[in-house]
Amino acid sequence: GQQVMQIPQYQHVQEGEDFTTYCNSSTTLSNIQWYKQRPGGHPVFLIQLVKSGEVKKQKRLTFQFGEAKKNSSLHITATQTTDVGTYFCAGTTSGTYKYIFGTGTRLKVLA
Amino acid sequence: DAGITQSPRHKVTETGTPVTLRCHQTENHRYMYWYRQDPGHGLRLIHYSYGVKDTDKGEVSDGYSVSRSKTEDFLLTLESATSSQTSVYFCAISERLSSYNEQFFGPGTRLTVL
Repeated sequence: GQQVMQIPQYQHVQEGEDFTTYCNSSTTLSNIQWYKQRPGGHPVFLIQLVKSGEVKKQKRLTFQFGEAKKNSSLHITATQTTDVGTYFCAGTTSGTYKYIFGTGTRLKVLA
Repeated sequence: DAGITQSPRHKVTETGTPVTLRCHQTENHRYMYWYRQDPGHGLRLIHYSYGVKDTDKGEVSDGYSVSRSKTEDFLLTLESATSSQTSVYFCAISERLSSYNEQFFGPGTRLTVL
């Protein structure tokens, strides 16, 4: 079945450093979503990417969708303590409304 | 936050007992999902619904059943709870607007099976 792998599993950074998490799917995706979950909270939608090679930015966050639509990345520039949490990607294939989530990357930012 | 609630928020039960978790939405969204979250596994889809009385299985559906008799309610039932079903359960809703179908998550239910 479809699998979505996410690396790294954990990342500790000093405040101000950059952070990147990578998402890789075993199958071609029709779109991919990114979510953030704060400790003790629920996942909150960040963005959706649909087009091959698409790049979207939200302030310090940059999201990319690979040319083959099988991988994606989230890059945070100059991390802040408010960036702490677990970041998940979630992909779906054509003709279905099922999303398969990656295992998540837990980000810890040291002040 | 979207109008989505889950009940109960916490539950402790014993192995072999039936358990029903409820997800209630006030957004009139068509799609509803049940996920479980466990350390090292992220979020795994249990069942989802694409309309009233229309449901389908997800990745980890064994031991779970669902029902959706009204747009606003999606019930998840563990017929005979096992310790492996100890987890945090999240309900999510979404509505398809062109190609945009953001999922809104409920606050979660922490279930412990002793």
